[in-house]
Amino acid sequence: DADVTQTPRNRITKTGKRIMLECSQTKGHDRMYWYRQDPGLGLRLIYYSFDVKDINKGEISDGYSVSRQAQAKFSLSLESAIPNQTALYFCATRASTGQPQHFGDGTRLSIL
Amino acid sequence: QKEVEQDPGPLSVPEGAIVSLNCTYSNSAFQYFMWYRQYSRKGPELLMYTYSSGNKEDGRFTAQVDKSSKYISLFIRDSQPSDSATYLCAMVRGSYIPTFGRGTSLIVHP
Repeated sequence: DADVTQTPRNRITKTGKRIMLECSQTKGHDRMYWYRQDPGLGLRLIYYSFDVKDINKGEISDGYSVSRQAQAKFSLSLESAIPNQTALYFCATRASTGQPQHFGDGTRLSIL
Repeated sequence: QKEVEQDPGPLSVPEGAIVSLNCTYSNSAFQYFMWYRQYSRKGPELLMYTYSSGNKEDGRFTAQVDKSSKYISLFIRDSQPSDSATYLCAMVRGSYIPTFGRGTSLIVHP
């Protein structure tokens, strides 16, 4: 089983719908991150959390919200989806300072 | 100027070639350096991780860090078609969020 699991893997939905992407991890890491990846733009940070009570905005948080339900679970929500939020979304975890991040396999989200 | 610069490619090489992938950076405070490999429709997979200048070798892969020149490289020896992927460099200082390059697309043709 994967250490960082994202669900769903693919999602097609319509403008204005509320969407939740989920991430769970078995690595025991405190730090969790949500990124989006667009062609030519690389990975951009949406939100991150250093523990259950800590939530921080990244560089592109507008239009997104997150919930850290437990150490192992970190969800990303789009309250009212718009077409320019079509992208590949990745969850990542990290053990502590100086350690590398580990990524899930992503959710491919298309908003029509 | 972005903190981390990486040529997007694509870089196309024949099977068996030595591949050199590179990133430059502007922030001398970066301490840790990583290379990730990303196949199509998959997440980035950690390949190499180092925190010092010099070379680190793992099988066919060698990561090189030159802090004085603010330059890191990933060398792939005896490249295989299965090495075809996008390679992302990343670097981090202390507890800050890692900074990623935009990735280089590598194509190894038989």
